[in-house]
Amino acid sequence: GIQVEQSPPDLILQEGANSTLRCNFSDSVNNLQWFHQNPWGQLINLFYIPSGTKQNGRLSATTVATERYSLLYISSSQTTDSGVYFCAVSMTYNNNDMRFGAGTRLTVKP
Amino acid sequence: DVKVTQSSRYLVKRTGEKVFLECVQDMDHENMFWYRQDPGLGLRLIYFSYDVKMKEKGDIPEGYSVSREKKERFSLILESASTNQTSMYLCASSLRNQPHYSGANVLTFGAGSRLTVL
Repeated sequence: GIQVEQSPPDLILQEGANSTLRCNFSDSVNNLQWFHQNPWGQLINLFYIPSGTKQNGRLSATTVATERYSLLYISSSQTTDSGVYFCAVSMTYNNNDMRFGAGTRLTVKP
Repeated sequence: DVKVTQSSRYLVKRTGEKVFLECVQDMDHENMFWYRQDPGLGLRLIYFSYDVKMKEKGDIPEGYSVSREKKERFSLILESASTNQTSMYLCASSLRNQPHYSGANVLTFGAGSRLTVL
């Protein structure tokens, strides 16, 4: 099956810093989603982005499908950005085939 | 906003007990999913459902069953709980499977149910 690798596994930032999280995948995808899991366990969908670039406030994401990677950018980080960021991919459009990466744990210090 | 509500945030059960985890979504989504999340293993799909009374096995269905009698409700059942089922259980839903690039495939998660089996 498709392999998903996220890097870095852990990231510690000072408030206000920028960061880039990476998701590499082993095959072509038709479905790619980024999620943030807060310290209480709630997973929130950030982007549905099988290709192209999207922005939402301080967050943006770019997927280069032909090169099999996606990047999540966080600008001017805040303590509320802390948590684990997951990339999930599927070769089909179906969510039942989704494979989640191991996540990047982000800690933003005040 | 779509809301996915899981009935219990924390549960403590004893080995051999029957456990029900309930999940309700309020936006008429066709697809519903149950995952478990364990440290070092990430999120793994247990079961999913595309329609009422329809269910499909995911990657780790052993020891679990599901029920979807109404479109908005998807229940996960542990017939006889064991200690290795101690985990965080996450329910999710999506509008439908679209055979093209579409927001209909966006997954929305509940807050999670942390189950401890003693």
